[in-house]
Amino acid sequence: ETGVTQTPRHLVMGMTNKKSLKCEQHLGHNAMYWYKQSAKKPLELMFVYSLEERVENNSVPSRFSPECPNSSHLFLHLHTLQPEDSALYLCASSQDRQVYGYTFGSGTRLTVV
Amino acid sequence: AQSVAQPEDQVNVAEGNPLTVKCTYSVSGNPYLFWYVQYPNRGLQFLLKYITGDNLVKGSYGFEAEFNKSQTSFHLKKPSALVSDSALYFCAVRRNSGYALNFGKGTSLLVTP
Repeated sequence: ETGVTQTPRHLVMGMTNKKSLKCEQHLGHNAMYWYKQSAKKPLELMFVYSLEERVENNSVPSRFSPECPNSSHLFLHLHTLQPEDSALYLCASSQDRQVYGYTFGSGTRLTVV
Repeated sequence: AQSVAQPEDQVNVAEGNPLTVKCTYSVSGNPYLFWYVQYPNRGLQFLLKYITGDNLVKGSYGFEAEFNKSQTSFHLKKPSALVSDSALYFCAVRRNSGYALNFGKGTSLLVTP
């Protein structure tokens, strides 16, 4: 374990479902991130939270909704997803807002059917 | 925008031979560069970073990377490859805002016995 825990590890959902991904870190870090990983493509930065404030939102469709209730927890709420949203969703955290490196979770493998 | 490019989808090398995984960058200002490795069904793990100082950076598991400003490159190297080095390798650069990293598309390294 890296200190960043993501649940669930695998998720299969229909296009009309609502589900949430959870990320938890106990490293005392101040910033947390959601990335989407699709095969043969660069990791796509989705959201950045620093001290529980969203500081970046990279044109992500509104069917993805992040929530950061405190500096240790980050959620990604999903609703009415499309099959092309199937991917590995990675959470990461960093010590400071100015990044000198991340700690990643193991990811949630999402399949939309 | 800060970006990195990994020109090779896959690199094949025999065990015991030296390996190189290529990365070039495009940045304004001083680059903050990183290498991460991803094993199957896992998140990304930090290998090494270049912030400033010596152009040759040493990291985890015997890996090193050479920062070359004139060629805008940050290639990952290891003198003697192991079968267990087989994985997906990502180069990354810190964004201008300081928040978050931009990643390349990854290079799959296969080390054969």
